Parts: sequence; structure tokens; C-alpha cells
Amino acid sequence: EAGVAQSPRYKIIEKRQSVAFWCNPISGHATLYWYQQILGQGPKLLIQFQNNGVVDDSQLPKDRFSAERLKGVDSTLKIQPAKLEDSAVYLCASSLRDGTDTQYFGPGTRLTVL
Amino acid sequence: RKEVEQDPGPFNVPEGATVAFNCTYSNSASQSFFWYRQDCRKEPKLLMSVYSSGNEDGRFTAQLNRASQYISLLIRDSKLSDSATYLCVVNRGNTGGFKTIFGAGTRLFVKA
Repeated sequence: EAGVAQSPRYKIIEKRQSVAFWCNPISGHATLYWYQQILGQGPKLLIQFQNNGVVDDSQLPKDRFSAERLKGVDSTLKIQPAKLEDSAVYLCASSLRDGTDTQYFGPGTRLTVL
Repeated sequence: RKEVEQDPGPFNVPEGATVAFNCTYSNSASQSFFWYRQDCRKEPKLLMSVYSSGNEDGRFTAQLNRASQYISLLIRDSKLSDSATYLCVVNRGNTGGFKTIFGAGTRLFVKA
């Protein structure tokens, strides 16, 4: 079974630039999550989709971050404009039904903002 | 105060040792609990779910204490390959579904 796919794996940008990340969850998984993990910290949930509806985006900095999950499958996370403090690993995960299920993570995108 | 708290460690133990980690959570409405393992520069992976009655998987034992609002992970006969960060995960009800909160993780180093 194919796992969660993410791209790109690495991205270096300058502050105030824009960046987008892509995630393809495990086939058939209804729930998709985007996390931000800063070095030395646990993953912080940015947004959770169930199918193509948003379940939780309370920790998403909506002035600069946006995410969508079209057709309830793939998802993109965008940052515009980026700040230095956005440097982190952005992890995408999916689960079969809802937040009580096992989450399967992709390899992450390591973002460096200079 | 963070909703899910863990001792960051690091825990440095010799091979064969027994080591235990605790994780406390502040929201009494929390419903499901997990331990995930994260290797250096890798993504988190599920280690085990934590059930009210406690559960064991080989050398790993997880316990839940709802009254005191903590979960624990016990690793017996530590192996070098157990070196990793162990993340405590709590799910609680939220508008429209469940919210997942990760702890900051406890780092374990097992030495020969």
C-alpha cells in the first residue's frame, strides 16, 4: 500500500516570498492533516480536513497560511508571505475515518526561510 | 500551561535497562490516547494505542490513568534501536470532530 506522499522534500526561500506544499494521502482516507513541526518541538496541528470540509483550523495563521483539499483527495498548503519563524518541517498525515484513528505521516517538507 | 506535557529528557540508558515515560494532559474530555515514535529527521509513526485497561506489545507497555490524567510508556530490555523521540498524543472532542494534540516528545538514547 502506498503511503502519504509529499512534495517538495526541501525548500529554501527568502522571507516575504510565497511557497506551496502538496500532499497526496493514502487512498480512501477521509481525514487529512497538516502539521508544523519546529525543531525540538512536537507537531502542531495547522488544519484538519474530513473529506473536503475543514474540521479544525484554529491554529492556522490565516493572514498568511491557506490550505485546500479539492475533491476530498490531494491537498495544498500555501504560505504567503513567508516569515523567518515559518522555518520548520511541514508534515501531512491521513487517517481512515476521523481523529481517533491511527494517523499515517508523509516524509514532510523541510522549509528554510532566509 | 500546555494541554499535553512530557518530560523532554533526554533519557540516557544502557542496553537492557527498563525506562518509563509519563505524559500528562489537562483536558478531562480527552478520549483517545497514543504513543508515536519519531526517529531523527523522520516522520512520526504509531507505536501503540493506549487503552483504559492498559496494553502490552512485546517489550512495550502503555497505561492510562484517567483520574490523574496521565498516560505512561514502559520499555523493558531497551535496545539500541529504541533510541528515538517518543511523542504522546491525545484526542479530544472538538466542534465538528476530534482534535489531535501532540506533546513535545521525550528523547531516549540507549547506549551499548
